[in-house]
Amino acid sequence: NAGVMQNPRHLVRRRGQEARLRCSPMKGHSHVYWYRQLPEEGLKFMVYLQKENIIDESGMPKERFSAEFPKEGPSILRIQQVVRGDSAAYFCASSPPGTGKGEQFFGPGTRLTVL
Amino acid sequence: GESVGLHLPTLSVQEGDNSIINCAYSNSASDYFIWYKQESGKGPQFIIDIRSNMDKRQGQRVTVLLNKTVKHLSLQIAATQPGDSAVYFCAPTRQADYKLSFGAGTTVTVRA
Repeated sequence: NAGVMQNPRHLVRRRGQEARLRCSPMKGHSHVYWYRQLPEEGLKFMVYLQKENIIDESGMPKERFSAEFPKEGPSILRIQQVVRGDSAAYFCASSPPGTGKGEQFFGPGTRLTVL
Repeated sequence: GESVGLHLPTLSVQEGDNSIINCAYSNSASDYFIWYKQESGKGPQFIIDIRSNMDKRQGQRVTVLLNKTVKHLSLQIAATQPGDSAVYFCAPTRQADYKLSFGAGTTVTVRA
């Protein structure tokens, strides 16, 4: 059973470009979470999604950031018009259906660098 | 949100010795606590969890102690090995919640 997969692992963008980060949850998992980790800091919750639904996006910046988890395909975290402050590691986690609580399994992360 | 702190940002341990990593939390409503290990370039990996109705839980080479009175928990690693070198995060949360809050982590370095 493959774990949570994220791609790309590394992404370099210039200021003003768009960044698209993809996350495929573990097989059988229907809950997806996105977290951001700045250097020397812990992970900060961004958004919680179920298939075709955003459950909680309270950790998402109000502008430029969006997330989706379509019926088919991976979850996408989209950052428009990136700025240097968006440089960070973005982690996706998934959990089994039912409660959306408890243990979350993390992917290897996407490291975004904005030049 | 939850405020999480760790007593020591770094910990250097001799191989074979026991490691103790401490974590303080502020939200008395937290009733579920998870420890994660993050190796360089990887995502956090679940180590062990404990619920508030317990004060001790043991896993393979790891023990978590919870003191709700002082809002403190610790992770003990027995016979520390080079593969234990990583950043360790505690994540206090609530069983009714899904958001995880991580502190800055403790970087454990194992000396040969």
